[in-house]
Amino acid sequence: RKEVEQDPGPFNVPEGATVAFNCTYSNSASQSFFWYRQDCRKEPKLLMSVYSSGNEDGRFTAQLNRASQYISLLIRDSKLSDSATYLCVVDANDYKLSFGAGTTVTVRA
Amino acid sequence: NAGVTQTPKFQVLKTGQSMTLQCAQDMNHNSMYWYRQDPGMGLRLIYYSASEGTTDKGEVPNGYNVSRLNKREFSLRLESAAPSQTSVYFCASSEPLAGGPDTQYFGPGTRLTVL
Repeated sequence: RKEVEQDPGPFNVPEGATVAFNCTYSNSASQSFFWYRQDCRKEPKLLMSVYSSGNEDGRFTAQLNRASQYISLLIRDSKLSDSATYLCVVDANDYKLSFGAGTTVTVRA
Repeated sequence: NAGVTQTPKFQVLKTGQSMTLQCAQDMNHNSMYWYRQDPGMGLRLIYYSASEGTTDKGEVPNGYNVSRLNKREFSLRLESAAPSQTSVYFCASSEPLAGGPDTQYFGPGTRLTVL
């Protein structure tokens, strides 16, 4: 079983729409959770950390459900520039991270 | 600050050739990492260095060696390249907090093709 699993998508949405997707993780001892963004043929970059109480950064909202071991990301009022692959990232152990394969989002005009 | 830099950006090797991928960071981070990324798979950790002078195997270390030359530089060597090592290689660095991992900053990647 993979440590982090994501729906690969793609999620094709019109500009202005809301899109949401989850990832599940297998290590119940994980303490740190992140969403990274990766543009085509570029390096991953941190989008936001995910806190137990849930957190928001502009149009992006992240939630953590420890009981069911999943993390979600919601994007409101989608922009063309939101088109990217979103990587779910969970701490493994000894300061290492486990990366999901990514969920691709395409926002169309 | 340049952040994390990697060289080369692209490389084509023949099976059996060797090469070294270079990585440097100017953020004074203690920890550095080498990952590979293949289609449909998440980034997989090859080797990491928690601090200068230490290196440890990650998930997929076979066929690779690393050197933490100093605090800034962490190189990845393929001694005898194989087609299965065709991939995109990312170097990353971070400064772990006492409570767990901190943000990892990635270099632009090296696209390696082994024929």
